[in-house]
Amino acid sequence: QVQLRESGPGLAKPSETLSLTCTVSGASISSSYWAWVRQPPGKGLEWIGYMFHSGTTSYNPSLKSRVTISVDTSKSQFSLMLTSVTAADTAVYYCARMRGSGNLHDWGQGTLVTVSS
Amino acid sequence: QSVLTQPPSVSAAPGQTVTISCSGTSSNIENSYISWYQQLPGTAPKLLIFDNENRLSGVPDRFSASKSGTSATLTITGLQTGDEADYYCGTWNRTVHVGGFGGGTKLTVL
Repeated sequence: QVQLRESGPGLAKPSETLSLTCTVSGASISSSYWAWVRQPPGKGLEWIGYMFHSGTTSYNPSLKSRVTISVDTSKSQFSLMLTSVTAADTAVYYCARMRGSGNLHDWGQGTLVTVSS
Repeated sequence: QSVLTQPPSVSAAPGQTVTISCSGTSSNIENSYISWYQQLPGTAPKLLIFDNENRLSGVPDRFSASKSGTSATLTITGLQTGDEADYYCGTWNRTVHVGGFGGGTKLTVL
């Protein structure tokens, strides 16, 4: 049973960098692709991007200039960095395991990040 | 802004059948793989259907999906109150390897 758990600050200040980590258990982080998705309060899902342990990444074009997804295989973790945040980046952030053609098979429980001064 | 278009809401009575549509373009539906997710209130989304029409193991066969041209459809038969949730279609662009979602449809079981 694959389990994912997001962790990181629940509050970020405008113009600063949002950093979150996803810890994976029950599966090798080297065996799958791993993704980040977010959901603003009361709104729909937004794809952020994904990565493979080799370093391959792909990002949503609308966020590409501000997003970095990276991996630490020794800790079985992958991370999200989003720079220059604004209130529009307030959302529940989910990490997920991606298999096949963009199918998000397993999800973390999500973590709310609020951008506010 | 969502890359796929879904109706904001649908409703039906228990036992009935409901369909949820997902429309797009040739690049994000016709030439892409479509998935469907169920999000129960206060929980993370759950994958129901992948690669257009394949049910994930453990998903009841009351859930089915199809795709034709620039539209995809999720069908739920024998509606149950526990099916009340938000449903999202997802797309995977095979050329640029980018994902996206529809805006979501809230299903109410009357």
